[in-house]
Amino acid sequence: ILNVEQSPQSLHVQEGDSTNFTCSFPSSNFYALHWYRWETAKSPEALFVMTLNGDEKKKGRISATLNTKEGYSYLYIKGSQPEDSATYLCAFVTSNTGKLIFGQGTTLQVKP
Amino acid sequence: DGGITQSPKYLFRKEGQNVTLSCEQNLNHDAMYWYRQDPGQGLRLIYYSQIVNDFQKGDIAEGYSVSREKKESFPLTVTSAQKNPTAFYLCASSPNPGTRDEQFFGPGTRLTVL
Repeated sequence: ILNVEQSPQSLHVQEGDSTNFTCSFPSSNFYALHWYRWETAKSPEALFVMTLNGDEKKKGRISATLNTKEGYSYLYIKGSQPEDSATYLCAFVTSNTGKLIFGQGTTLQVKP
Repeated sequence: DGGITQSPKYLFRKEGQNVTLSCEQNLNHDAMYWYRQDPGQGLRLIYYSQIVNDFQKGDIAEGYSVSREKKESFPLTVTSAQKNPTAFYLCASSPNPGTRDEQFFGPGTRLTVL
C-alpha cells in the first residue's frame, strides 16, 4: 500500500511568521507530485504540479521544492497572512497506477 | 463562470436506499474523478473517467457506481451495498487524462446516512 505522509498535522503561527510543511512519499516509480490549498467552505485549489527532481516552484509568497530521490517535497509560506489559513494537501502520483494518492493534509492557522 | 458544480450540498439518506450525487463541469475537461473524505484521512479515489463512455474503479469503488454519458456530467450513485456511506464527497476534473494536469474540484456533497 502506497503511503503519503504530511507533517505536521496542524500548525498555528502568528501573522508574519514564515512556515514550512513536509510531504513524504515513496521514492520509487515517481510520476508527479501535486500541492493543493483547501480553505474552509471552499473547494481545493491547485498550487503546484511538480514533475522533475530538484523542481522549485513559486506562486507569490508560497513556494515548493521536490526531491524525488529521497521522496519528499517541502511547501514554504513566507510572511504568513490570515488568508493563508487553510489545509494544504499533497498528492503523489506513481507511474504504475497514474492515480493521485493524497496525504491527510496539514492544517495551518495564522493568527492576526 | 466556468467551474464544477455538485448538488446537493447536504444529503440525508435512510439506510438501504440508493442515492445519486450530481457532478457537472463546463470546463470542457476530458477527465473526471470522484473522491471521498473521512475525518483524519486523505482524499480517496472512488471512480474516475478519462473519456466519455469510459470509467475505471479507483481504490474504494465497492458499493458505488458511476456513468459518463456526457462529457460534462459524471454522477455517482451510492448504493445500499456501501457499508459506511456517511462522508464528504468531492468531484474533480482535469483537462486531459493523465495526472500531470492539476485537478479542479467542486464544492462537495456531505452525505449522512440516518
